[in-house]
Amino acid sequence: KAGVTQTPRYLIKTRGQQVTLSCSPISGHRSVSWYQQTPGQGLQFLFEYFSETQRNKGNFPGRFSGRQFSNSRSEMNVSTLELGDSALYLCASSLAVPKGGYTFGSGTRLTVV
Amino acid sequence: AQTVTQSQPEMSVQEAETVTLSCTYDTSESDYYLFWYKQPPSRQMILVIRQEAYKQQNATENRFSVNFQKAAKSFSLKISDSQLGDAAMYFCAFLSNFGNEKLTFGTGTRLTIIP
Repeated sequence: KAGVTQTPRYLIKTRGQQVTLSCSPISGHRSVSWYQQTPGQGLQFLFEYFSETQRNKGNFPGRFSGRQFSNSRSEMNVSTLELGDSALYLCASSLAVPKGGYTFGSGTRLTVV
Repeated sequence: AQTVTQSQPEMSVQEAETVTLSCTYDTSESDYYLFWYKQPPSRQMILVIRQEAYKQQNATENRFSVNFQKAAKSFSLKISDSQLGDAAMYFCAFLSNFGNEKLTFGTGTRLTIIP
């Protein structure tokens, strides 16, 4: 059974640009969450989608957005990139209610220069 | 809001020995889940073990076990017979059972295995 797939693995962008990251969940998983991991702030929750609807949102500015498609694949978008957006972005999927825990992808390493 | 605290930034253990990683949390809820995740250099977060708060019995997965003390809000991870492949960052995480599908993570403990 394929795991959670995130693309691309690495990305370098210039300040002010926008970026889109992709996440394909485990087959059958309808919940997809996104987390930002930085050395300074640790792991922080961005948002969670279920059946194409955002159920929960973390405390991030509106430059961070996401969406989920009917096949449960998800994308997150960051507009007007800032240097501080450099981070590892992790996607996680689960069944409708994640009591069994989330399964994570290997992340996208975003570097903003 | 929940908080998760891991007070040991780094730990080391001799191969084949036992090590315990500490985690405390703060919540006003009574129904929740706790997890330990492992993040090796490959970056992927791997679920090690989970504990349901309403179950008094401590969870065990092969060489990994937890000591869950609900009243003390403590959730430590014990790794027995440590192996080189156990070297990684370990994160403790909290998940509410009240409709907020968000993991709250601790700051992590870097575990080094000494051959």
